[in-house]
Amino acid sequence: EAQVTQNPRYLITVTGKKLTVTCSQNMNHEYMSWYRQDPGLGLRQIYYSMNVEVTDKGDVPEGYKVSRKEKRNFPLILESPSPNQTSLYFCASSPGYGAKNIQYFGAGTRLSVL
Amino acid sequence: DAKTTQPPSMDCAEGRAANLPCNHSTISGNEYVYWYRQIHSQGPQYIIHGLKNNETNEMASLIITEDRKSSTLILPHATLRDTAVYYCIVDLRNYGGSQGNLIFGKGTKLSVKP
Repeated sequence: EAQVTQNPRYLITVTGKKLTVTCSQNMNHEYMSWYRQDPGLGLRQIYYSMNVEVTDKGDVPEGYKVSRKEKRNFPLILESPSPNQTSLYFCASSPGYGAKNIQYFGAGTRLSVL
Repeated sequence: DAKTTQPPSMDCAEGRAANLPCNHSTISGNEYVYWYRQIHSQGPQYIIHGLKNNETNEMASLIITEDRKSSTLILPHATLRDTAVYYCIVDLRNYGGSQGNLIFGKGTKLSVKP
């Protein structure tokens, strides 16, 4: 089944404790992206990747890192999480050129930073 | 800046057609109309997109007015599982703001009732 898989689905952590949220897609998609969703603010893009080893900042990249060493994986790294990063996070992938706006989303990761 | 205007909420009886309107009066000639939905905190799901012709797939139909200033998403036989927030997005096909950044806006909360 074609899908985008995020792990973990739920995570409670403390301020400053490094964490990684994994994202994997099995559709051989070139484009991948991370969003966060907060009440009243909608979905906002954190980082995106056009292809392997190519990543760029979205609208709210502060406090996050990403890597794209393999086509299928696009982990989101929080080096020193803070309470304002408590949010619902979504990973998405797309075939890329010509269809970048047709994105397939993971089920989400609900993160709480205490 | 919001490029689309949607009613905040709508109700529909189960089994009836749900017609969700979207105004996009400032749409430019090379911008497409995309529809997504989000079922209670799940990842957004792509539904359909179009440029100027009406489109239909297994999920829905998209009717775009001749002047392209508005469109309607039609779910022909709504079920309880179609209860969700529906987002109308206008963007360039290849770019999404050049970074594939989908701007979801507030959407329409569709409630399908028995």
